[in-house]
Amino acid sequence: DSGVTQTPKHLITATGQRVTLRCSPRSGDLSVYWYQQSLDQGLQFLIQYYNGEERAKGNILERFSAQQFPDLHSELNLSSLELGDSALYFCASSVERTSGTGELFFGEGSRLTVL
Amino acid sequence: GENVEQHPSTLSVQEGDSAVIKCTYSDSASNYFPWYKQELGKRPQLIIDIRSNVGEKKDQRIAVTLNKTAKHFSLHITETQPEDSAVYFCAAKGWWTGANNLFFGTGTRLTVIP
Repeated sequence: DSGVTQTPKHLITATGQRVTLRCSPRSGDLSVYWYQQSLDQGLQFLIQYYNGEERAKGNILERFSAQQFPDLHSELNLSSLELGDSALYFCASSVERTSGTGELFFGEGSRLTVL
Repeated sequence: GENVEQHPSTLSVQEGDSAVIKCTYSDSASNYFPWYKQELGKRPQLIIDIRSNVGEKKDQRIAVTLNKTAKHFSLHITETQPEDSAVYFCAAKGWWTGANNLFFGTGTRLTVIP
């Protein structure tokens, strides 16, 4: 168990709909990252938050948005869903912000299926 | 940002043989290179990492080498076992706009044949 909690584990919805994925980081971790993993694909970095503020954006579509709340949990909102958005969405957390390195601890992922 | 390329995409080896996975990165400012293992249906987990001031690091049957000049790094697994079967991701981390981000390679599916 990594200590990172993601809900829901599975989600099936229709095109055009909107969903929200939730992530609770490890206790003490201030950074939260979102990654998208499509079938047989790598991990695409979407966005990072540190202590409530957006720190970096990757390949995140304009239809997607995220935020980190004061209690440090994060939500990834996906709207106007398309078939191609079907993927496994991972949240990860780490303790550090800038200097040094730091292991990313991944949650179990939220599998989104868009029909 | 960073661009990480990983080869091969699939790799099959006989149990007991060695496996090598190679990655290249584009940004010379990258300074941290972890490797993650993702078993089927599971989350990625860190197995070994190396910093840019080190050329090689070993942990039991796995080792990682880094060539900063050529901007490539490799994962070596010796005496492979069936439980080594998984997808392995390399990653590179640097500093862009003050934030630390890991950019992953596309993964290598390793199959160890008993």
